[in-house]
Amino acid sequence: KAGVTQTPRYLIKTRGQQVTLSCSPISGHRSVSWYQQTPGQGLQFLFEYFSETQRNKGNFPGRFSGRQFSNSRSEMNVSTLELGDSALYLCASSATYRGSSGNTIYFGEGSWLTVV
Amino acid sequence: EDQVTQSPEALRLQEGESSSLNCSYTVSGLRGLFWYRQDPGKGPEFLFTLYSAGEEKEKERLKATLTKKESFLHITAPKPEDSATYLCAVHGQGGKLIFGQGTELSVKP
Repeated sequence: KAGVTQTPRYLIKTRGQQVTLSCSPISGHRSVSWYQQTPGQGLQFLFEYFSETQRNKGNFPGRFSGRQFSNSRSEMNVSTLELGDSALYLCASSATYRGSSGNTIYFGEGSWLTVV
Repeated sequence: EDQVTQSPEALRLQEGESSSLNCSYTVSGLRGLFWYRQDPGKGPEFLFTLYSAGEEKEKERLKATLTKKESFLHITAPKPEDSATYLCAVHGQGGKLIFGQGTELSVKP
C-alpha cells in the first residue's frame, strides 16, 4: 500500500514568487492536513481538509492557502514568498476527520522549500 | 492553552544503555497522544497512539506509557539504528495536532 506522496521533494524559489505543493494521501484516506517544520518553531499546523472542505486552520497569514480535490488529493499554495517561508512542508493523511479517536495520522516525506 | 513539552532536548546513549524520553502535555480533553520517529530529511514515521491513562504499547525496543499529565517513551537496549528525533504530539483544540520540539536521540556503538 503506497504511503503519502508529496511533490516536489525539493524546490528553490525567489522572494516574491508563489509556490504550489502537491500531496496524494494514502488510498482510502479522506483527511489531509499540512504542517510547516522549521528548526526554530518545530512542527506547526497549517490547515486540514476533509471531503474537500477546510475543517481547521492554524495561525498562518492568508498567503498560505490550500484545497482538496474530489479524489482527496490536496495542494497548498504560498504566495508572495518570504525568506522566512523556507521550511519543510509536510502533508499528513488519515482515514477520517482528525478529531476522531482511533484515527492514525501518517506523514509524507515532505517538500523542502528554500526561498532566496 | 494546549501545550506539549519534551525532555531532554538531546540524549546520547551507548548501545545497550536503556533510558526514557518524557512528554508532558496540557490539553483540554485528551483525544490521543502520538509518538513519531523522524530521521534527518524525512517525514515523521508513526510509532504509537495512546488514549487513556495507564495505557501502554510496545514495538521492538520501544515502549510507550501514558499518565494524566505525561507520556514516556522507554528505549530498552538501544541500537545505533534507533538514533533519530522522537516527536510527541496531542490532539488539541479543534482536533489539530500539537507537537513538542522533539528529543534528538543518538546511540553510539
